[in-house]
Amino acid sequence: NAGVMQNPRHLVRRRGQEARLRCSPMKGHSHVYWYRQLPEEGLKFMVYLQKENIIDESGMPKERFSAEFPKEGPSILRIQQVVRGDSAAYFCASSPPGSGAKGFYEQYFGPGTRLTVT
Amino acid sequence: RKEVEQDPGPFNVPEGATVAFNCTYSNSASQSFFWYRQDCRKEPKLLMSVYSSGNEDGRFTAQLNRASQYISLLIRDSKLSDSATYLCVVIPGGYNKLIFGAGTRLAVHP
Repeated sequence: NAGVMQNPRHLVRRRGQEARLRCSPMKGHSHVYWYRQLPEEGLKFMVYLQKENIIDESGMPKERFSAEFPKEGPSILRIQQVVRGDSAAYFCASSPPGSGAKGFYEQYFGPGTRLTVT
Repeated sequence: RKEVEQDPGPFNVPEGATVAFNCTYSNSASQSFFWYRQDCRKEPKLLMSVYSSGNEDGRFTAQLNRASQYISLLIRDSKLSDSATYLCVVIPGGYNKLIFGAGTRLAVHP
């Protein structure tokens, strides 16, 4: 059973370009979370999605950032017009259906995408 | 005030030492508590859950004090392979939104 997959693992963008980060959850998982880790800092929650629904986006910056988890295909975190401050590691995690309602289900993390903005 | 606060360290200890990490959280309504481990430039992995009654897993013991809003992790007989950053994690309630501390770095030397 493959774990959470993220691609690309490393992404370099110039200021003003768009970045698209992809996350394929573990098989059977329908909940996806995105976290950002700035250099020398802890992980910060960004957004929680289920298939075709954004459940909690309280950690998403108000502008330039968006996320989706379509019925088919991976979850996408999109950053428009990137700036140097967007340089970070972006981790995706997934958990099984029922997470939250029945208590804690472990979130399994992907290897992350390291975004560098030049 | 940060939601979850940890001493960043680093803690430099010899093999075989006992080391303890502490963490405080600000939201008294928080429901679930965990320690995660993160190796350099890798993804975090769940180490153990934390309960008021205490939780032991081999050389690792975690404790929760709800009254003081304080969480601890004790590592006995440290191994070189324990070198990592230890992340204190809280779920404030509702969905499984993880709130991470900035981490405490541990370096175990021969």
